[in-house]
Amino acid sequence: AQKVTQAQTEISVVEKEDVTLDCVYETRDTTYYLFWYKQPPSGELVFLIRRNSFDEQNEISGRYSWNFQKSTSSFNFTITASQVVDSAVYFCALVDRGSTLGRLYFGRGTQLTVWP
Amino acid sequence: GAGVSQSPSNKVTEKGKDVELRCDPISGHTALYWYRQRLGQGLEFLIYFQGNSAPDKSGLPSDRFSAERTGESVSTLTIQRTQQEDSAVYLCASTKSRDSYGYTFGSGTRLTVV
Repeated sequence: AQKVTQAQTEISVVEKEDVTLDCVYETRDTTYYLFWYKQPPSGELVFLIRRNSFDEQNEISGRYSWNFQKSTSSFNFTITASQVVDSAVYFCALVDRGSTLGRLYFGRGTQLTVWP
Repeated sequence: GAGVSQSPSNKVTEKGKDVELRCDPISGHTALYWYRQRLGQGLEFLIYFQGNSAPDKSGLPSDRFSAERTGESVSTLTIQRTQQEDSAVYLCASTKSRDSYGYTFGSGTRLTVV
């Protein structure tokens, strides 16, 4: 069965601090995609990244970076020099490429609050 | 359209009434998903449409929930005899096909049952 766990329910930091959001996943499939989405107060889910299970290279995009480690089934997300605009709920999600549905399995989300 | 459009954005209804939520996917996207997000929770899968194939309804929580989609266009999610536990944000997503994995989400409909 597929499962995504985001153990951190809420995180508060002060602006300019670095923050890491944890994501641990379970799947029996060997081919899958992992995602991170941002959900600001407006409610829509904003796509941040998609990572193929075959690609374990870390990725950096501006202040955002992702650490994918298959050995620990983790796909952690770090925001460097956080800003107030980063305040949102962040979701980690998984889809199995062998799935006939292509449905996403989501974690419960981490509420990040960045204080000025 | 440029994005996935959902309406209404907010809906308050009395317990026992029926409600209809609408999702207009991106043009050309054959796959469409409905998810439910309860307060403080992740997204729960409800139903999936792929082109003209029979939908996968495995996530619908009860027979009070149903959804339709005409071809590759608009989808409606209907909740009959609403209950307070139906209060949630209902999100719709579309993608070019079920194996393209490029999901675009709408802003959701916030349903409050009083």
